[in-house]
Amino acid sequence: NAGVMQNPRHLVRRRGQEARLRCSPMKGHSHVYWYRQLPEEGLKFMVYLQKENIIDESGMPKERFSAEFPKEGPSILRIQQVVRGDSAAYFCASSPLHGNTEAFFGQGTRLTVV
Amino acid sequence: QKEVEQDPGPLSVPEGAIVSLNCTYSNSAFQYFMWYRQYSRKGPELLMYTYSSGNKEDGRFTAQVDKSSKYISLFIRDSQPSDSATYLCAMKYGNQFYFGTGTSLTVIP
Repeated sequence: NAGVMQNPRHLVRRRGQEARLRCSPMKGHSHVYWYRQLPEEGLKFMVYLQKENIIDESGMPKERFSAEFPKEGPSILRIQQVVRGDSAAYFCASSPLHGNTEAFFGQGTRLTVV
Repeated sequence: QKEVEQDPGPLSVPEGAIVSLNCTYSNSAFQYFMWYRQYSRKGPELLMYTYSSGNKEDGRFTAQVDKSSKYISLFIRDSQPSDSATYLCAMKYGNQFYFGTGTSLTVIP
């Protein structure tokens, strides 16, 4: 049973470009979380989605960031017009049910903005 | 005040030692408590979770929750060099998991 798959593992973007981060949840999981991890700051919640529905986006910056989880295909975290401060590790986690306490993380995408 | 406080360490112990990792929290609404292990440049790996006060044991790991004191602990018995990692406590309320900043642990052979 494959785990949560994230790609790319490493992504380098120039300031002003767009970054697209993909997350395929574990088989049978229909809920996805996105978290951002900065050094010394821990994991910060960004958004919680189920297929075709954003359940909680209270942690998402108001501008430039968006997320989706279509009926088919992976969840996408999109960052438009990236800035140096967007450099971080972005982790996706999945769970099988709403409210389920067990969330399993992928290996992350390390975004570097140059 | 952060919702979840965790001593960042670093913590260094000899192989075979008992390790105690701790977190405190401020939100009494937190219902579920988890410990994750994260190796360098990897994703967090779920070690244990519990939802009630008391102890839960799994092999060399014991998770302890004291809701009255808003304090959780993870004990690692007979620590091994392979236990060297960052340990993250996490708590769930509503749709979100709230993480501590992590404690870096090194087990010296």
